[in-house]
Amino acid sequence: GIQVEQSPPDLILQEGANSTLRCNFSDSVNNLQWFHQNPWGQLINLFYIPSGTKQNGRLSATTVATERYSLLYISSSQTTDSGVYFCAGPPPGTYKYIFGTGTRLKVLA
Amino acid sequence: EPEVTQTPSHQVTQMGQEVILRCVPISNHLYFYWYRQILGQKVEFLVSFYNNEISEKSEIFDDQFSVERPDGSNFTLKIRSTKLEDSAMYFCASSEAPGTEAFFGQGTRLTVV
Repeated sequence: GIQVEQSPPDLILQEGANSTLRCNFSDSVNNLQWFHQNPWGQLINLFYIPSGTKQNGRLSATTVATERYSLLYISSSQTTDSGVYFCAGPPPGTYKYIFGTGTRLKVLA
Repeated sequence: EPEVTQTPSHQVTQMGQEVILRCVPISNHLYFYWYRQILGQKVEFLVSFYNNEISEKSEIFDDQFSVERPDGSNFTLKIRSTKLEDSAMYFCASSEAPGTEAFFGQGTRLTVV
């Protein structure tokens, strides 16, 4: 089945720093979402981004579907950005989301 | 803003007991999912539901599990005889149509003792 790999697995930043998280798919996906799992376990939708680039405040995301990867940019990080970031998407012919392994981010004050 | 609501937020149950996890999807959504996340691991697909029937299910979703849409607003996941390894966070999700953006509930943390 499709594999979704995220890098880096762990990231520690000082508040105010920028970062780029990467999501690689072993096969094509029909669409792609980025989620933030906060310390209480909730999955928060960040972006629905089958292709192209979107921005929302300090966060932006780019998906290059033809090359099977997506990037999540976090600028001017804050302590509330801490948590685990997941990308997920359904392979062709299915609507079930396959989740990546996650990037655990810790932002220090 | 519309959201997916799950109850309870936490449930502790004894091994062998039946549990029912409840979800209220976003009202105009037609496609529903259950996922689970064992502590420290990634989120795994369990089952999807569309047009009053199961659309897809994973190998995890065996005969111990069932889903139901008992009325126009609720979507439930039943585990008939819980095992220790069923301890996990269970997420419900919904989307307007198959393949469109999925919205997740806040999760139910199930602990089997």
